[in-house]
Amino acid sequence: AQRVTQPEKLLSVFKGAPVELKCNYSYSGSPELFWYVQYSRQRLQLLLRHISRESIKGFTADLNKGETSFHLKKPFAQEEDSAMYYCALKGSASKIIFGSGTRLSIRP
Amino acid sequence: DVKVTQSSRYLVKRTGEKVFLECVQDMDHENMFWYRQDPGLGLRLIYFSYDVKMKEKGDIPEGYSVSREKKERFSLILESASTNQTSMYLCASSARGNRNTEAFFGQGTRLTVV
Repeated sequence: AQRVTQPEKLLSVFKGAPVELKCNYSYSGSPELFWYVQYSRQRLQLLLRHISRESIKGFTADLNKGETSFHLKKPFAQEEDSAMYYCALKGSASKIIFGSGTRLSIRP
Repeated sequence: DVKVTQSSRYLVKRTGEKVFLECVQDMDHENMFWYRQDPGLGLRLIYFSYDVKMKEKGDIPEGYSVSREKKERFSLILESASTNQTSMYLCASSARGNRNTEAFFGQGTRLTVV
């Protein structure tokens, strides 16, 4: 079965502080992992994907197969990072499932 | 610019009504999805379709059905709306097969069942 767990509903940090949003997954095969973001009054959009190993808006995420984790990190938070973040897993048959989401709030 | 368009932003329906939510994509994507988004529960997959006339149940299909008669259109049907189906509904599409394919989302339909 596919499962994505985001243990934090809300994460509040000060501007300039490091950010880590946690994501753990359960999947028996070789998964594709993604982070999606939803800014206020905007539609859900892709932030980054593990295959690309890229940094987007200063965010990075490393797939750790041993710990089945795909945590999202940014060294210095900015106010515009305040949003809802969802971790997603694409497994068999193109099915994409999402975690419960973490609301990131950046305090000035 | 890629587009996934949901027919309504807001809908108010009465308990017991049959409700249709429509979604259209212009990217020639094979896969289409319907999710509901609830605070604290995230996005939960209702149904998805990997081809015309093909459908698979997601994690919460009860009380819903879907229709995909054309590649670009995926409809979600609430046979008899109930108040616990009040939610934000999101449609998405993605290409099939290749790795590194992302899902593109519509703007959402906020459904209220009274």
